[in-house]
Amino acid sequence: KQEVTQIPAALSVPEGENLVLNCSFTDSAIYNLQWFRQDPGKGLTSLLLIQSSQREQTSGRLNASLDKSSGRSTLYIAASQPGDSATYLCAVPNTGGFKTIFGAGTRLFVKA
Amino acid sequence: GAVVSQHPSWVICKSGTSVKIECRSLDFQATTMFWYRQFPKQSLMLMATSNEGSKATYEQGVEKDKFLINHASLTLSTLTVTSAHPEDSSFYICSAKNQGLAGADTQYFGPGTRLTVL
Repeated sequence: KQEVTQIPAALSVPEGENLVLNCSFTDSAIYNLQWFRQDPGKGLTSLLLIQSSQREQTSGRLNASLDKSSGRSTLYIAASQPGDSATYLCAVPNTGGFKTIFGAGTRLFVKA
Repeated sequence: GAVVSQHPSWVICKSGTSVKIECRSLDFQATTMFWYRQFPKQSLMLMATSNEGSKATYEQGVEKDKFLINHASLTLSTLTVTSAHPEDSSFYICSAKNQGLAGADTQYFGPGTRLTVL
């Protein structure tokens, strides 16, 4: 059964810091992994999608890496800004591949 | 990019009433849509998978008679919370898989519907 763990659960950093959010999953037979952002009371915004054949994806100040064999992904945020404050969710397909399993998220607060 | 909408964005109702939430894929067809619920400060939990033209598949512990799902067309799925009670108050989010374009494994999420049952 696929399980997703995100560490840390919460993170508070001063503006300008580079930071890393971690995601681990138990079943490495995934075909992709997605990182989402969720603002309080809002829906999900897709940030990055990494296919199983890829090792990383970049979008602006965001870089996500994927190591399938070890069941890990990291989301790197460079030069953090107060506008980055949100909850970041990692999601992978379940064992069998049809459903999506979410981690509990990392709540990020970037102080001005 | 692909867009999924939900209506309403928020709803407040009295205990015992039924509430219908709509999920639409605006610029693509989706044979499969998913319904999630999210309690405060918790992650998304899959409730059911909605299949166009057939019955929905519910996750363990989700009452199918309480959460009625209808996927009548390739662009619309509805979730009806019947006889809602305060414990049903939650954030409901739908998603749709884009079947027609490259990257068909990508799920696109709606903005969510916040249900408050008094």
